[in-house]
Amino acid sequence: QVQLVQSGGEVKKPGASVKVSCKASGYSFASYDIAWVRQAPGQGLEWMGWISNYNGNTNYAQKVQGRVTMTTDKSTTTAYMELRSLRSDDTAKYYCARVVIGANAGNWFDPWGQGTLVTVSS
Amino acid sequence: DIQMTQSPLSLSASVGDRVTITCRASQSISTYLNWYQQKPGKAPKLLIYAASSLQSGVPSRFSGSGSGTDFTLTINSLQPEDFAIYYCQQTYGAPRTFGQGTKLEIK
Repeated sequence: QVQLVQSGGEVKKPGASVKVSCKASGYSFASYDIAWVRQAPGQGLEWMGWISNYNGNTNYAQKVQGRVTMTTDKSTTTAYMELRSLRSDDTAKYYCARVVIGANAGNWFDPWGQGTLVTVSS
Repeated sequence: DIQMTQSPLSLSASVGDRVTITCRASQSISTYLNWYQQKPGKAPKLLIYAASSLQSGVPSRFSGSGSGTDFTLTINSLQPEDFAIYYCQQTYGAPRTFGQGTKLEIK
């Protein structure tokens, strides 16, 4: 079945970087984009950006622009999200999701990975 | 950015009830609107895409409607497993913003 499996939780100090992986299986990885969404403890969902698996183009949220890099490796069907210069307010669960593009109907995220908790603390 | 406003933010209901959650966009988004369900400690799950299309495997008691700026998610005959947080999301423009979430609790 279509599945996204993310790497394990991380604890980082302020100013450090973190790289979260998202291993895809059960579908043609190259045919779908990957989006990243985060959720701070007890808060709602925040879209971080996405990467096109067609041409590698990326689109990042302004809030993380300049600190985030999203990449994919088609040979291992894995997507990565690296966030640099971590701050305490980056503490959140980070999700990857497959982007399904509809015909004249926008796009939607399905399925989602299980999430990776990143804790930023001194 | 397109702002998405959900109401109510919390809702108490009983098993068997019919509930409606509303999502309003700050500008017209056609039918580029999705609904997700999230249970504690779990990843969000797609329920409805393109405003009214039911995702495969989702029970038919869930339905979505609307276009432009106003959208609704309706759950008929609530089941115990439906108590969760529900989010709307627009994919008309970037960033792909979410609503604040509506927490559906057991009365």
